[in-house]
Amino acid sequence: DSGVTQTPKHLITATGQRVTLRCSPRSGDLSVYWYQQSLDQGLQFLIQYYNGEERAKGNILERFSAQQFPDLHSELNLSSLELGDSALYFCASSAGLGAGTGELFFGEGSRLTVL
Amino acid sequence: AQSVTQLDSQVPVFEEAPVELRCNYSSSVSVYLFWYVQYPNQGLQLLLKYLSGSTLVKGINGFEAEFNKSQTSFHLRKPSVHISDTAEYFCAVSGNNQGGKLIFGQGTELSVKP
Repeated sequence: DSGVTQTPKHLITATGQRVTLRCSPRSGDLSVYWYQQSLDQGLQFLIQYYNGEERAKGNILERFSAQQFPDLHSELNLSSLELGDSALYFCASSAGLGAGTGELFFGEGSRLTVL
Repeated sequence: AQSVTQLDSQVPVFEEAPVELRCNYSSSVSVYLFWYVQYPNQGLQLLLKYLSGSTLVKGINGFEAEFNKSQTSFHLRKPSVHISDTAEYFCAVSGNNQGGKLIFGQGTELSVKP
């Protein structure tokens, strides 16, 4: 158990819909990262938050958005869903900002299926 | 920007045989390097990491990796694999000015056969 909790574990929805994925980081971790894992694209970095502020942005579509709340949990919002958005979405957390401060701890992921 | 190339998408090997999973990276800044393992239907778990110091890094489950700056490589090795090592292995890099985000390779599927 990594200490990172993601909900829901599985989600099936239709094209055009909107979903919200939730992540609770390890206790005390200030950084939250979102990744998308798909068969064709592999593990793609989406976005990072540190203590409520956006710190880095990767290959995140404009239809996607995220935020980190004062209690440090994070939500990833996916809207106008397309078939190609079907993927496993991972949340990870770390104590600090730099990779030199330690590892990223990953949740078990939220599997999104868009029909 | 950083990038990672895992040279083998699939590596089949027999139980108790040695294995090497290859990883090359590119970066314009100093890097930190990682290997993660993903078992079926699970999240990623850290195997080992190179931050600085000795270029030979030992991790969990008997794995080790060697950082080679001149060849920009970070290959993962295990002298004798077990059936339970069957999983997907990801090499990842983070620049020392990148705020901690990891850039992952495409993954190598290790399949250990009896």
